[in-house]
Amino acid sequence: DIQMTQSPSSLSASVGDRVTITCRASQGINNHLAWFQQKPGKAPKSLIYAASSLQSGVPSKFSGSGSGTDFTLTISSLQPEDFATYYCQQYDTYPWTFGQGTKVEL
Amino acid sequence: EVQLVESGGGLVQPGRSLRLSCAASGFTFDHYVMHWVRLPPGKGLEWVSTINEKSGGIGYADSVKGRFTISRDNAKSSLSLQMNSLRAEDTALYYCARGGSDWSPAFWGQGTLVTVSS
Repeated sequence: DIQMTQSPSSLSASVGDRVTITCRASQGINNHLAWFQQKPGKAPKSLIYAASSLQSGVPSKFSGSGSGTDFTLTISSLQPEDFATYYCQQYDTYPWTFGQGTKVEL
Repeated sequence: EVQLVESGGGLVQPGRSLRLSCAASGFTFDHYVMHWVRLPPGKGLEWVSTINEKSGGIGYADSVKGRFTISRDNAKSSLSLQMNSLRAEDTALYYCARGGSDWSPAFWGQGTLVTVSS
């Protein structure tokens, strides 16, 4: 199975900060990498697909990059509504796998 | 508006079965891949299963393979997850999700809670 390792597991940031979350796959995943945001008690929200494509309706402050095995989610200017847990997921090879999550806290 | 509404969750004893359903509306159901993803209490998201538009391309997490079966009824715009031989570790909030421009989940339901306990 492909292992997805996110770092950091948590981070503290302030409104207006630029935040970067990293996701590393244990093998190449052909850019089949998605990012999700989840807030407590809410359904996940899809942010990025195919490593760098923005889902419809997602603000451009979110961006994804990377290729091969190393990927990044960047939030350009953190806003109060962005404090949440973020997950990466590979969907290249079954079984699909999520990273363990990164909690972004104030 | 895309809507996914899960149902069928509840409290069930270990070893018993449960069938989850997801009613879809607001889009052409048979044009999209569908998924089940779960969130165990206090843990992170876990992918469970995926099925393509024509009921092929099916995949399962190792933890549920041989016990869970995903299916869809395109005529009824409905997705199902038959869960057999349930274990305590299957306790989770189960989400139905729809694919988007590619196979990755793009739209999510609000989830249905499954609790496996004696």
